[in-house]
Amino acid sequence: DAKTTQPNSMESNEEEPVHLPCNHSTISGTDYIHWYRQLPSQGPEYVIHGLTSNVNNRMASLAIAEDRKSSTLILHRATLRDAAVYYCILRPTIYNQGGKLIFGQGTELSVKP
Amino acid sequence: NAGVTQTPKFRVLKTGQSMTLLCAQDMNHEYMYWYRQDPGMGLRLIHYSVGEGTTAKGEVPDGYNVSRLKKQNFLLGLESAAPSQTSVYFCASRPTGRSVGNQETQYFGPGTRLLVL
Repeated sequence: DAKTTQPNSMESNEEEPVHLPCNHSTISGTDYIHWYRQLPSQGPEYVIHGLTSNVNNRMASLAIAEDRKSSTLILHRATLRDAAVYYCILRPTIYNQGGKLIFGQGTELSVKP
Repeated sequence: NAGVTQTPKFRVLKTGQSMTLLCAQDMNHEYMYWYRQDPGMGLRLIHYSVGEGTTAKGEVPDGYNVSRLKKQNFLLGLESAAPSQTSVYFCASRPTGRSVGNQETQYFGPGTRLLVL
């Protein structure tokens, strides 16, 4: 399974944008890039995913490098409720792998008022 | 919809005792997963199921058994609990996707905190 590398922690100020980086230099052509986050004492929740093109949804934006070896999760205006551990995950699309998610250690984002 | 629910929320076991963790989902999802999360670490996949009556091993299956007798339920069993199994256990489910490029996301339960003394 291809691996991801993320900073252990990042800090942000409330209402400012946050850019969370992820390196995945061994990504294969059929791996989707997924982002999940885990708020304190909760299960992970889906944030966004993409394959090659940049993606936007109500929670965040995902910017994918042209060579797909890195990506960046963008929170446009951080709130205190965005304080969480953010996981960048490569998800194989091959059916017989069961859509497994391989979690790394993630980036712990703290948001200051 | 309740989504994914887990029972119990918290349990204390003595070494050697057995127990079963129950995961239930009401979204008619085909795939279900059991993960464990140790302090300061990401989640690790224990077992998963791609449909009723099927199970498969994940990254860390030793010491656990699973069953998927009904589509909506996925049970995780510890036959003889050990202190190394102290962890938070998360269940997840997702709909099926049989073509390359499927993009279904996983929906996680709130977790079961297990302490083995």
